[in-house]
Amino acid sequence: DAGVIQSPRHEVTEMGQEVTLRCKPISGHNSLFWYRQTMMRGLELLIYFNNNVPIDDSGMPEDRFSAKMPNASFSTLKIQPSEPRDSAVYFCASTMITSGGSSPVITGELFFGEGSRLTVL
Amino acid sequence: EDQVTQSPEALRLQEGESSSLNCSYTVSGLRGLFWYRQDPGKGPEFLFTLYSAGEEKEKERLKATLTKKESFLHITAPKPEDSATYLCAVQARNNRGSTLGRLYFGRGTQLTVWP
Repeated sequence: DAGVIQSPRHEVTEMGQEVTLRCKPISGHNSLFWYRQTMMRGLELLIYFNNNVPIDDSGMPEDRFSAKMPNASFSTLKIQPSEPRDSAVYFCASTMITSGGSSPVITGELFFGEGSRLTVL
Repeated sequence: EDQVTQSPEALRLQEGESSSLNCSYTVSGLRGLFWYRQDPGKGPEFLFTLYSAGEEKEKERLKATLTKKESFLHITAPKPEDSATYLCAVQARNNRGSTLGRLYFGRGTQLTVWP
């Protein structure tokens, strides 16, 4: 089975340009996560979806960032306009979340893609 | 605020020299603690899940343990191929009692094993 697929792997753009990152989760997974990784801050959760619905977007830095999941097999993370401080590696991950008492439990693990390295000049 | 702290930030070991990595957490209502391995240029790869204090999991030269405040990743007789960054993450029940699927990641320990 193919893993989580992200594109592009590398993106170099100029400040002010729109950037769109794409993710195809593993078939059958019901939850998708967007993370950002930098040397300074490590891995930060930006947003996650459960059954295509955004559940927690408290990590989205500001209005310049938006994410969509139009169906179970595709998600996008858009930055418009981009700024140099957005330079980072953006990871998409998917998994299966099941209901467990008062809060869902992540069963198994998160499966991460190989990331999209974004450089904003 | 919930926090996950990993130590040391970097660790260099000679092949065969056993050691331990630490992950301490201050989240309330722990739902699970996860260890991941990340190779350069790759996404994190899952290693273990621990759910309750006293639990242990093993995989080849790695053993993860959990207490009420911290987890250890023990590496026995490491080999150069064990070189990677090891990340710890916790899933917590938030203080509003609402559903929460997010994981809080530590900054990681960069392990280098030299021959």
